[in-house]
Amino acid sequence: AQKVTQAQTEISVVEKEDVTLDCVYETRDTTYYLFWYKQPPSGELVFLIRRNSFDEQNEISGRYSWNFQKSTSSFNFTITASQVVDSAVYFCALDTGGFKTIFGAGTRLFVKA
Amino acid sequence: GAVVSQHPSWVICKSGTSVKIECRSLDFQATTMFWYRQFPKQSLMLMATSNEGSKATYEQGVEKDKFLINHASLTLSTLTVTSAHPEDSSFYICSARDSPQTQYFGPGTRLLVL
Repeated sequence: AQKVTQAQTEISVVEKEDVTLDCVYETRDTTYYLFWYKQPPSGELVFLIRRNSFDEQNEISGRYSWNFQKSTSSFNFTITASQVVDSAVYFCALDTGGFKTIFGAGTRLFVKA
Repeated sequence: GAVVSQHPSWVICKSGTSVKIECRSLDFQATTMFWYRQFPKQSLMLMATSNEGSKATYEQGVEKDKFLINHASLTLSTLTVTSAHPEDSSFYICSARDSPQTQYFGPGTRLLVL
């Protein structure tokens, strides 16, 4: 079975704090893709990153960084020096090529000024 | 990144009427589009997969006669909510693939059925 678990329902931080959003996935497939999407209050999902199962290199994009560890089936997302504009719901997702993407329940991030 | 538009962004209708929502990929061709439904504070629920030139594949529990999907071209898919009822009120989101496995999402349509 394929599954994505985002155990943190809500996280609240103060601006400039670093915050890590956890994502744990389950799949028996050896080839798969992992994603992070951001959903701000406006509702539109914004694509942040895609990582395939053969590429375990961590990635950094500005204040965002991702840590992919196959050994623990995790794909965690860290925001450094958080800002109020980072407040949103963040979804981790898994795609094994079966034309269906499995989404986690989402983590709601509140960044207070 | 690839751009997906959705129209309308908001719709309010009376119970019993039908509502059509359009999803367009603006700068790429999408052989596959997806329709999701999202309830407040919940994750996305896949309703159906729309394939250009063929019938849509519906998820278990989704009534295909209630939610009609037409993928008429490589850049357009439509979702029609037929004989809408208040329980159909929700946020509907479409997405399209521009490359293997990457979906880009439309801005969503908020439907309120009175």
